[in-house]
Amino acid sequence: DSGVTQTPKHLITATGQRVTLRCSPRSGDLSVYWYQQSLDQGLQFLIQYYNGEERAKGNILERFSAQQFPDLHSELNLSSLELGDSALYFCASSTDRGLYTGELFFGEGSRLTVL
Amino acid sequence: DQQVKQNSPSLSVQEGRISILNCDYTNSMFDYFLWYKKYPAEGPTFLISISSIKDKNEDGRFTVFLNKSAKHLSLHIVPSQPGDSAVYFCAASYDDVGGSQGNLIFGKGTKLSVKP
Repeated sequence: DSGVTQTPKHLITATGQRVTLRCSPRSGDLSVYWYQQSLDQGLQFLIQYYNGEERAKGNILERFSAQQFPDLHSELNLSSLELGDSALYFCASSTDRGLYTGELFFGEGSRLTVL
Repeated sequence: DQQVKQNSPSLSVQEGRISILNCDYTNSMFDYFLWYKKYPAEGPTFLISISSIKDKNEDGRFTVFLNKSAKHLSLHIVPSQPGDSAVYFCAASYDDVGGSQGNLIFGKGTKLSVKP
């Protein structure tokens, strides 16, 4: 158990819909990262937050948005869903040292299926 | 454009033997390399890392070798155990945003099967 909690574990929805994925980082970790793993793809970095502020952005679509709240939990919002958005979405957190070492603690992921 | 490549989707080895997982990269700006292990239905877990200023890092049964001139790194597991069966991801990063190395670029993974 990494200490990172993601909900829901599984989600099935239809094209055009909007969903919210939730992540609670490990206690004490200020950094939260979101990654997407599509079929046959490696993990793709989406976005990073540090203590409530956006710190870095990767290949995140404009239809997607995220935020980190004062209690440090984070949400990833996916809207106008398309079939290609079906993927495993991972949240990770890190200590401040992890910002420099790349050592991230990943949750178990939220599997999104768009029909 | 894949900056981190793991060309072997799968690898099968006998228990007790050496497992060698390979990874190639294209971006010479990378300064930190990591290996993550992933079991089914779990998130990836950090295994071992190496800074670009080193050519070897060892942690128990796991050793990572870095050849910067060839832009190649490898993970050696000796001796391999059935519990090592998992997908191994190679990852790389460089400092482009205020010191953050957490924006990792991952390969597609190699599935290791260790047979008893």
